[in-house]
Amino acid sequence: KQEVTQIPAALSVPEGENLVLNCSFTDSAIYNLQWFRQDPGKGLTSLLLIQSSQREQTSGRLNASLDKSSGRSTLYIAASQPGDSATYLCAGGLYNQGGKLIFGQGTELSVKP
Amino acid sequence: SQTIHQWPATLVQPVGSPLSLECTVEGTSNPNLYWYRQAAGRGLQLLFYSVGIGQISSEVPQNLSASRPQDRQFILSSKKLLLSDSGFYLCAWSVGSGTDTQYFGPGTRLTVL
Repeated sequence: KQEVTQIPAALSVPEGENLVLNCSFTDSAIYNLQWFRQDPGKGLTSLLLIQSSQREQTSGRLNASLDKSSGRSTLYIAASQPGDSATYLCAGGLYNQGGKLIFGQGTELSVKP
Repeated sequence: SQTIHQWPATLVQPVGSPLSLECTVEGTSNPNLYWYRQAAGRGLQLLFYSVGIGQISSEVPQNLSASRPQDRQFILSSKKLLLSDSGFYLCAWSVGSGTDTQYFGPGTRLTVL
């Protein structure tokens, strides 16, 4: 069974702190890893996509890494801000299956001013 | 630029009534299209995906169905809603073999009473 697990389920940090969100997956058929952000009651916003041939991607204060051999991905957020408060979801993409994504349950992040 | 629309934004329906949710994509051709459901306290579950007009793959057995009458239009339907159909329905699109980013719509909040 294909599974994606995110730890922790919830995280509260003071503003300015650097933080790491974790994602693990069990299926070697997972071809890429996407990180999304979801604000309450809203759709998903794509943050970063890492292909299986890549080890990391960066966008502004965000850095995502991928280690397929260990089945792990991390999302690093530098100098967190209250506006970063949201639920962060990771999803593994399955190759040649129409781009199916297997989602983790998400990490709910709260950044306190 | 590409845009994805979903409507309605919210919907309250009685048990046993029919359902039709619509998703349209602008600014791209022959996209892969997806319907996801996010139930309260649960992760996103892929319901259907389509790689072309009239091509629908179902991921889970349920009383929902999907259709793709036009290249950039994806419809989610039910003949008779159940209480368990309540949730947040998200449409998404991608291009190519599905190894690229998936882009999500704003979602439809469905409450079945």
